[in-house]
Amino acid sequence: AQKVTQAQTEISVVEKEDVTLDCVYETRDTTYYLFWYKQPPSGELVFLIRRNSFDEQNEISGRYSWNFQKSTSSFNFTITASQVVDSAVYFCALGNTGNQFYFGTGTSLTVIP
Amino acid sequence: GAVVSQHPSRVICKSGTSVKIECRSLDFQATTMFWYRQFPKQSLMLMATSNEGSKATYEQGVEKDKFLINHASLTLSTLTVTSAHPEDSSFYICSASFSNGGYEQYFGPGTRLTVT
Repeated sequence: AQKVTQAQTEISVVEKEDVTLDCVYETRDTTYYLFWYKQPPSGELVFLIRRNSFDEQNEISGRYSWNFQKSTSSFNFTITASQVVDSAVYFCALGNTGNQFYFGTGTSLTVIP
Repeated sequence: GAVVSQHPSRVICKSGTSVKIECRSLDFQATTMFWYRQFPKQSLMLMATSNEGSKATYEQGVEKDKFLINHASLTLSTLTVTSAHPEDSSFYICSASFSNGGYEQYFGPGTRLTVT
């Protein structure tokens, strides 16, 4: 069964704090893909990153970084020095070779100025 | 690049009428398009997957006769909600992908449907 769990429903941080959004996935596939999307209040989902199952290298993009660990089936997302514009709902998703996506329930992040 | 548009962004219709939502990939050819439904403060629920020129594949529990999907070209897919009822009120989001299998999906801005 394919499943994505985002245990943190809501997080609030004060501006400039670092915050990590957790994502744990379940799959029996050997080839799969992991994604993070941002959904601001406007509603449109913004693609942030894709990771292939065979590439465990962590990635940093500006204030964003992702930690992929197959041993714990986790794909966590860290925002460094958070800003008010980071306030949004963040979705982690698992994709398979059949192009099906399984979304987590999302984490609502509020950055307080 | 990879821009997906949806039209309309908001629609209010009366119970019993049909509503058509368009999804277009503006700057790329989408091999596959997807339709999702999102309830307030909930995750996205995949409704169906469609490839250009072929019938859509519906997820379990989604009524294909109620939610008609037509993928007429590599840049256009439409979702028609037939005989809409208030429980069909939701946020409908489409996405498009370059290829089959593991590629990121680019999402449209969504359509807020309200059935009165």
